[in-house]
Amino acid sequence: DAGVTQSPTHLIKTRGQQVTLRCSPKSGHDTVSWYQQALGQGPQFIFQYYEEEERQRGNFPDRFSGHQFPNYSSELNVNALLLGDSALYLCASTPGQGDYGYTFGSGTRLTVV
Amino acid sequence: TQLLEQSPQFLSIQEGENLTVYCNSSSVFSSLQWYRQEPGEGPVLLVTVVTGGEVKKLKRLTFQFGDARKDSSLHITAAQPGDTGLYLCAGARSSASKIIFGSGTRLSIRP
Repeated sequence: DAGVTQSPTHLIKTRGQQVTLRCSPKSGHDTVSWYQQALGQGPQFIFQYYEEEERQRGNFPDRFSGHQFPNYSSELNVNALLLGDSALYLCASTPGQGDYGYTFGSGTRLTVV
Repeated sequence: TQLLEQSPQFLSIQEGENLTVYCNSSSVFSSLQWYRQEPGEGPVLLVTVVTGGEVKKLKRLTFQFGDARKDSSLHITAAQPGDTGLYLCAGARSSASKIIFGSGTRLSIRP
């Protein structure tokens, strides 16, 4: 049983560019949450998707947007990249919107130069 | 302002020693979770506690949720090098709310 799958694993982008990160949730999970983890820090909540809608959002600018597809997979888009957007982006899935334990993917390491 | 404060931030001890990591907040949480993260990987769930005063054991790891559901601790007995990693506490303010993370405790066990 595959867990949460994220792609790509690593990415290097230039400041000002746009990036799309992808996530496939664990089988049986329908809720996807995205987190940003800077080096040496705990993950920071970006937003959560359930039933193809953004249900909750953290303190991130509108440059960060997302989408959830009918098969529950999700994308995170970041526009106008800044150097400070360099981080590990983690996707987590749960079976519903409750405070269940999250299953995380291995993340996408984004470097903005 | 970090809603969940973890202490210590870093801990390096000898194999076989015991240790305790703390997770504190001024807010009440409906549940609290502990995760362990290794370099290049996502966090892996260790335990979820939901009842004030609850104690859960996972082999040599003991987790406790404070009576007021504002804090938690993780105690490791006879630490082993395989326990090395970043330990993260995370909490939900209600059953339908997002889970927020503490800043983590980086644990290193010397052989």
